[in-house]
Amino acid sequence: AQKITQTQPGMFVQEKEAVTLDCTYDTSDQSYGLFWYKQPSSGEMIFLIYQGSYDEQNATEGRYSLNFQKARKSANLVISASQLGDSAMYFCAMSHASGGSYIPTFGRGTSLIVHP
Amino acid sequence: DSGVTQTPKHLITATGQRVTLRCSPRSGDLSVYWYQQSLDQGLQFLIQYYNGEERAKGNILERFSAQQFPDLHSELNLSSLELGDSALYFCASSVDSGQPQHFGDGTRLSIL
Repeated sequence: AQKITQTQPGMFVQEKEAVTLDCTYDTSDQSYGLFWYKQPSSGEMIFLIYQGSYDEQNATEGRYSLNFQKARKSANLVISASQLGDSAMYFCAMSHASGGSYIPTFGRGTSLIVHP
Repeated sequence: DSGVTQTPKHLITATGQRVTLRCSPRSGDLSVYWYQQSLDQGLQFLIQYYNGEERAKGNILERFSAQQFPDLHSELNLSSLELGDSALYFCASSVDSGQPQHFGDGTRLSIL
C-alpha cells in the first residue's frame, strides 16, 4: 500500500529562520508525483510545490523548495526566511499510478508555528 | 483564489438526511476530486472524475455517490447521514491525473 509519513506533528521556528518539514513515502511505483499543501487556520488548502519522480532537479517555488532524495524516499519541504503568515498545517502528498489514473494519498500533516 | 468553487460553505442537517455538495472546477481543468477531512481520519480521498467519467475510487462509502456533468461541474451526494459524516468536504481540480490539484474552500458539514 502507498503511504506518506510525516513524523513531526508540530514544529516551531523563529521568524526569518529556515525550517524543514519532513516527509517520507512508500511506493513500489516508478512513476509518481510528490506535493506539498498548506492549510491555514481558515481551512483552505493551498498548493505549494510539486516534484515528479523523474525530475532530476529539486523543485523550487519562491521561498519553498522540495528536498527530493529518491533513494531514501524522502521529500522534505524547506521554507526559507519564515514569515508569521507561514503558520499553518502542512501536508505532504503523493500521487501514484493505479488502474489508468493517479491516486492521491496524504500524510497526517505537520503544524508549523512561526514565532516573532 | 484557487479558481475552484464549492457550495454551500456550511451545511447543518440531521441524521438520516441526504445532502448534495456542489463543485465547479478551475477553468480548463478536466479532473475533479472529492475529499473528506476529519480530525480522526485526516484527509481521505473519496473519488475522482475525469471529463465526465469516474476515474478512481478511494475510501468512499456506499451511501455516498458523485457525478461530473458535461459542463464539468461535479456533485457529491451523501445519504442516510450519520454523526460520523460530520467533516470538511473538499473538492479539488487538476488538468489531468497526477498533476497538482487546486482545492476549493470546502463545505463544512455538521450532522446533529
